[in-house]
Amino acid sequence: DAGVIQSPRHEVTEMGQEVTLRCKPISGHDYLFWYRQTMMRGLELLIYFNNNVPIDDSGMPEDRFSAKMPNASFSTLKIQPSEPRDSAVYFCAIDPGQGASGANVLTFGAGSRLTVL
Amino acid sequence: QKEVEQDPGPLSVPEGAIVSLNCTYSNSAFQYFMWYRQYSRKGPELLMYTYSSGNKEDGRFTAQVDKSSKYISLFIRDSQPSDSATYLCAMSRPNDYKLSFGAGTTVTVRA
Repeated sequence: DAGVIQSPRHEVTEMGQEVTLRCKPISGHDYLFWYRQTMMRGLELLIYFNNNVPIDDSGMPEDRFSAKMPNASFSTLKIQPSEPRDSAVYFCAIDPGQGASGANVLTFGAGSRLTVL
Repeated sequence: QKEVEQDPGPLSVPEGAIVSLNCTYSNSAFQYFMWYRQYSRKGPELLMYTYSSGNKEDGRFTAQVDKSSKYISLFIRDSQPSDSATYLCAMSRPNDYKLSFGAGTTVTVRA
């Protein structure tokens, strides 16, 4: 987890409130991903960035979700307004870029556990 | 039907046993196959990856890919209680950064 710092680790909020989740990559990367994990649906890709530019946001469930990456060292995922069905663990992950292996070697943060009451 | 199917288990084995995990997939374009390990309350961490078909061994872990059957496996030999975790398979197409994950199999190794 050392390559990616996520905050907050836990958040409990009430329906309708705005939620902002933060991600700070520590090690070098070309790509940054936001995933959501639930028991029912497993790990789902929400959005990913390449060199701070959003490339694919087709996984963002609704307009209530937005993500930004103002620089290489910081990204946010915002939910406004939040709903109980948004309760999940949200992971930020980085990929240094496909080297000779060509494989996607992701480093995940520890996650932000969100509960919306 | 999901792109990647993985039995969520749970799987419980005694210490020292061989753990066998597998995933099936439907997209023949997948070329990269990965196994991630996720401990409770932690993020997934990459365990192994393989390209196309074949076997790869790393210590007590062996990954196998059979593209003709669209079937991948992970074997853990001499399992230890510290191997207790959820194991997720993942796969991707060449030059595609979108990983397709399995549901994860929860493994408990009993001391």
